[in-house]
Amino acid sequence: DQQVKQNSPSLSVQEGRISILNCDYTNSMFDYFLWYKKYPAEGPTFLISISSIKDKNEDGRFTVFLNKSAKHLSLHIVPSQPGDSAVYFCAADTNTGNQFYFGTGTSLTVIP
Amino acid sequence: NAGVMQNPRHLVRRRGQEARLRCSPMKGHSHVYWYRQLPEEGLKFMVYLQKENIIDESGMPKERFSAEFPKEGPSILRIQQVVRGDSAAYFCASRGQLNTEAFFGQGTRLTVV
Repeated sequence: DQQVKQNSPSLSVQEGRISILNCDYTNSMFDYFLWYKKYPAEGPTFLISISSIKDKNEDGRFTVFLNKSAKHLSLHIVPSQPGDSAVYFCAADTNTGNQFYFGTGTSLTVIP
Repeated sequence: NAGVMQNPRHLVRRRGQEARLRCSPMKGHSHVYWYRQLPEEGLKFMVYLQKENIIDESGMPKERFSAEFPKEGPSILRIQQVVRGDSAAYFCASRGQLNTEAFFGQGTRLTVV
């Protein structure tokens, strides 16, 4: 029962262009969403989060958008850089905080 | 401000041995989570602990796996009588309070031979 889904296993983007990573969820009880970046053989690194009371949060080159009615969130990276090449996971949390539900990840490749 | 510390980074065990994985959360963090990542798969929740309490272990296999987070010292994930299928990367995460981000350690890569 995959409650958080990332339907694109991979994405390639030219350096300097926008990367858009998408995530869908099914559980309406989710009220906090996060994006993590992961390099091989390392732990996930927190990127950005958003509460369900907001529809946008921005931090430098990273912006997360939340569409609660569609149960959809996206991560925008502008401009994309080769160092952004990694696997990106979205995650969701309920107010009980018992676990983060992770998507299966999207492997982003930024081409120089 | 040390991050989440996991040790060992790599652990090799023969089938039937015990594996002990340690996680020291960030200073001031009382919520600890363990996740497992099997090859070519995403992160799967195992257990959520607070000091001296298991809050949610719904992701833990029923047998051979146990976890603790004592009042003093690191959180321990223990796998008894390991089998080849236990080979995976095990990640620990901690956070200070609910509705905030969790920070992950570098993981322990367990290989069962």
